Amino acid sequence: GQNIDQPTEMTATEGAIVQINCTYQTSGFNGLFWYQQHAGEAPTFLSYNVLDGLEEKGRFSSFLSRSKGYSYLLLKELQMKDSASYLCAVSNQGGKLIFGQGTELSVKP
Amino acid sequence: DSGVTQTPKHLITATGQRVTLRCSPRSGDLSVYWYQQSLDQGLQFLIQYYNGEERAKGNILERFSAQQFPDLHSELNLSSLELGDSALYFCASSAQTGGGNYGYTFGSGTRLTVV
Repeated sequence: GQNIDQPTEMTATEGAIVQINCTYQTSGFNGLFWYQQHAGEAPTFLSYNVLDGLEEKGRFSSFLSRSKGYSYLLLKELQMKDSASYLCAVSNQGGKLIFGQGTELSVKP
Repeated sequence: DSGVTQTPKHLITATGQRVTLRCSPRSGDLSVYWYQQSLDQGLQFLIQYYNGEERAKGNILERFSAQQFPDLHSELNLSSLELGDSALYFCASSAQTGGGNYGYTFGSGTRLTVV
């Protein structure tokens, strides 16, 4: 089976750095994705990791450790518009993309 | 505009009825995925099609069915609707089975309200 865990909610201050963790157990692994979703809107793609290590893309970075079944999304220089749900998702070898419950991030002034 | 088109955007219907949700994938994408997102729930995988064939199934109810047509658009049919079926239904597409570096592109969703 597959199981993806991430914190339900987090709060951070504008301008700060926040790290959202994700642990997973999956039958087969074909990559880990992070998506951002504002309420009532479609998820939008942030990052993809298939090999161990850190992928940096502007203010957002994502890390993967396959041996530990662990990933994190790092958001730097937080802005108010970063308040959203952040979804960790794992693709198995069959191509299914399974999502965690999401982490609701609130950025305060 | 993500390139994935879903219609209708909103749908209100009564219990016991049947509805059809439509999805046109991004140009060139062969895989289509359907997800359900209820209030305060994560995205639940329903079903995946690749180039017209069913590839994977999630926790899709027997009252629900889907298909992908030769022009690659897909339809999700929901029948004998219940109040609990009220949710956002998202379609996503990808060039291959697995998303690859570009992930899965989501449509804007259909908000279904069953009254």
